[in-house]
Amino acid sequence: GPKVLQIPSHQIIDMGQMVTLNCDPVSNHLYFYWYKQILGQQMEFLVNFYNGKVMEKSKLFKDQFSVERPDGSYFTLKIQPTALEDSAVYFCASSLVGAPLFGEGTRLSVL
Amino acid sequence: GDSVTQTEGQVTVSESKSLIINCTYSATSIAYPNLFWYVRYPGEGLQLLLKVITAGQKGSSRGFEATYNKETTSFHLQKASVQESDSAVYYCALTPANTGANTGKLTFGHGTILRVHP
Repeated sequence: GPKVLQIPSHQIIDMGQMVTLNCDPVSNHLYFYWYKQILGQQMEFLVNFYNGKVMEKSKLFKDQFSVERPDGSYFTLKIQPTALEDSAVYFCASSLVGAPLFGEGTRLSVL
Repeated sequence: GDSVTQTEGQVTVSESKSLIINCTYSATSIAYPNLFWYVRYPGEGLQLLLKVITAGQKGSSRGFEATYNKETTSFHLQKASVQESDSAVYYCALTPANTGANTGKLTFGHGTILRVHP
């Protein structure tokens, strides 16, 4: 069936640097999401995105975070600069109608 | 804010036995939330197992059932006879009522690891 792809599965970065997490959503989906899961905690909503715009974001979506989907390609989450507390697994999701389909996640380790 | 509680971090069941995974919720909106069960099989992304948006209704999929109980604010997941292939992580989740699933703003529980042994 259709899949949301997140590559790579693990990224390691030094604190203060910029990182971009890439998501390849299902091709005909129109709604896109990012979730964050810190080790041992629940997955938490970060942001949703539709028609080129952020629809809603949570308090976890700090000013250092941004999302975009240029030219209908990857849906990206950029963190600039990164902080130690950004270490987590980030899940991308997409939907057309109904409940979103999730990727396997990218583990971000900030050293 | 809204919250979802799954009391069991891990459940181990023998194949062909019955299963129940507990889920309770707390929602701050006046109307009743939409309730979901998601599942993550090994090596795959999270996928929807079933959903119920009306209190009192039951959802079912792949032999699993869950009933939306507004009195006890519960949405327990049950299966009469599990198979080894059901081994996965199961997440209970909700969205506020009247938001529509397209907002994708789900509140998740911690997840329950289900291990089914032969």
